[in-house]
Amino acid sequence: DQQVKQNSPSLSVQEGRISILNCDYTNSMFDYFLWYKKYPAEGPTFLISISSIKDKNEDGRFTVFLNKSAKHLSLHIVPSQPGDSAVYFCAASQWGFKTIFGAGTRLFVKA
Amino acid sequence: GAGVSQSPRYKVAKRGQDVALRCDPISGHVSLFWYQQALGQGPEFLTYFQNEAQLDKSGLPSDRFFAERPEGSVSTLKIQRTQQEDSAVYLCASSLRGDGATEAFFGQGTRLTVV
Repeated sequence: DQQVKQNSPSLSVQEGRISILNCDYTNSMFDYFLWYKKYPAEGPTFLISISSIKDKNEDGRFTVFLNKSAKHLSLHIVPSQPGDSAVYFCAASQWGFKTIFGAGTRLFVKA
Repeated sequence: GAGVSQSPRYKVAKRGQDVALRCDPISGHVSLFWYQQALGQGPEFLTYFQNEAQLDKSGLPSDRFFAERPEGSVSTLKIQRTQQEDSAVYLCASSLRGDGATEAFFGQGTRLTVV
């Protein structure tokens, strides 16, 4: 039972354009959502988060949008840079409980 | 260093062998998590500690898997009688608070290969 789904295994974007990574979840009890970035041979590193009381959180080139009615969140990266090429994991948690990860989306940013 | 440290980085075990994977979390972090990541998949939750208390072990796939954090700091994940399906990267993460609402810091992982 996949509670967090990232339906696009990969995404290719031109440098300077916007990258949009999508994530859907099924558990309406989730109240905190995170994006992690992972390079090969390294552990995931935290990128940005949003709590369920917000619908948008921005940090530099990265913005996360949350649509609770659709149980959908997205990560926007603008402008995309070649160094952004990595696997991006969407994750969700319910206060005080474990964090559940999606399967990841591999982003390729072409120079 | 100040990050989460895992050892060994790589482990090859013969089927049936017992293995122990170590995690040194960031000092002062209350929560510690173990995840299993198969090739091409996201991290799958195994177990969670708040200080020395194991609050959730619902993700451990069988009774061959055992984790401990006796002093609320270093944790060990033990796998007994390893099987080929145990081959994966085992990730440890720690976070400052115990409420699940703060970002976790991950180690580099231990890649276990069972032959």
